[in-house]
Amino acid sequence: EIVLTQSPGTLSLSPGERAILSCRASQTVSNSYLAWYQQKPGQAPRFLIYGASNRATGIPDRFSGSGSGTDFTLTISRLEPEDFAVYYCQQYGRSPRTFGQGTKVEIK
Amino acid sequence: EVQLVESGGGLVQPGGSLRLSCSASGFTFTTYTMHWVRQAPGKGLEYVSGISSRGDNTYPADSVKGRFTTSRDNSKNILYLQMSSLRAGDTAVYYCVKEACSGGSCPIDNWGQGTLVTVSS
Repeated sequence: EIVLTQSPGTLSLSPGERAILSCRASQTVSNSYLAWYQQKPGQAPRFLIYGASNRATGIPDRFSGSGSGTDFTLTISRLEPEDFAVYYCQQYGRSPRTFGQGTKVEIK
Repeated sequence: EVQLVESGGGLVQPGGSLRLSCSASGFTFTTYTMHWVRQAPGKGLEYVSGISSRGDNTYPADSVKGRFTTSRDNSKNILYLQMSSLRAGDTAVYYCVKEACSGGSCPIDNWGQGTLVTVSS
């Protein structure tokens, strides 16, 4: 199975700063079938990005994804208070689908 | 509006069995691959298993292969997860999730609220 490793584990930033989250795959993710999700405490995850770089419906343009092959990035251009959460990447190109272990973006 | 409502969670002893259900509405259930994803308390997301739209293929993670079985009843719009030989490490909130598109490889766009399974003596 494809192992996804996210870094850093925790990112401490202030509102208005840029957040850069990394997701590295143990094998090539076919067709850039890589998604990102946001999860807040006590809530189910929220769909953010698919195909490595496409925003899901209703996602603000401060969220952007990039990458291909084995290296992917989620960038939040200017952190809003509601963006402090845990972010997960997932590959959906090969079964079983797998998730990264998550990156927590916390208020500094 | 898509709705995914899980049920069947609870406390079970190690080695026991439990069946989770997910009632789906608001979309054409019969055309979507569906999955189960779990999250242990304070931990990250873990993929559990998936099932094709017609129910003829399943995609279990190695951690549950041979112990968990995913099935669906397309006449009732219900997804199931039959869990057996349960271990403490299976303790988690189990989410029923829907793919964003039908056919091919698709991300997850909708999640249920989750049902908690606790494996403990």
